Amino acid sequence: DVKVTQSSRYLVKRTGEKVFLECVQDMDHENMFWYRQDPGLGLRLIYFSYDVKMKEKGDIPEGYSVSREKKERFSLILESASTNQTSMYLCASKDRYQPQHFGDGTRLSIL
Amino acid sequence: GENVEQHPSTLSVQEGDSAVIKCTYSDSASNYFPWYKQELGKGPQLIIDIRSNVGEKKDQRIAVTLNKTAKHFSLHITETQPEDSAVYFCAASRGGGSQGNLIFGKGTKLSVKP
Repeated sequence: DVKVTQSSRYLVKRTGEKVFLECVQDMDHENMFWYRQDPGLGLRLIYFSYDVKMKEKGDIPEGYSVSREKKERFSLILESASTNQTSMYLCASKDRYQPQHFGDGTRLSIL
Repeated sequence: GENVEQHPSTLSVQEGDSAVIKCTYSDSASNYFPWYKQELGKGPQLIIDIRSNVGEKKDQRIAVTLNKTAKHFSLHITETQPEDSAVYFCAASRGGGSQGNLIFGKGTKLSVKP
């Protein structure tokens, strides 16, 4: 079974902090994705990566950056956290022509 | 821009009844349509998917239909059970590429009453 692991289930940070959310997959997948999930808005794509050191902006990249130094790990970075970034963050991975597999999410609160 | 509209946002049915969730998409190049189920405290899990060269697909109590001309697809759950209660998301691929970039609907919260 595919396993996508997000390092924290819950995280509380302060405004202005630099925040790192980590995601690891164990299936050697090429593609990885970061979404945020908000009530009534569904899942919105922040960034995705289709190879090591490659990244592409999604629909809502402002205020975020990503890092993919190794194939199995995809990090989401909030450069200077703000209260409007309080949300559920979901990571997903997939291989070519296969469905996306999701982690269980990180619920991030910015105070 | 491209989007996926999903209806209804909430759905309540009696155990044993059927449930139908509908989605429409705008990108003519979309060729892959997955459905995800999200239980409380968990990430979305794929329950069924369909590609554009197929009109219908079934897996036990779950079926998905696709009308490419009208750009809409639907999820049908028959003989609903309390464990079907969850939030369901439809999605459509962004273009025809293999990178798997998806556009998601806003979700439907299904409640199955015993």
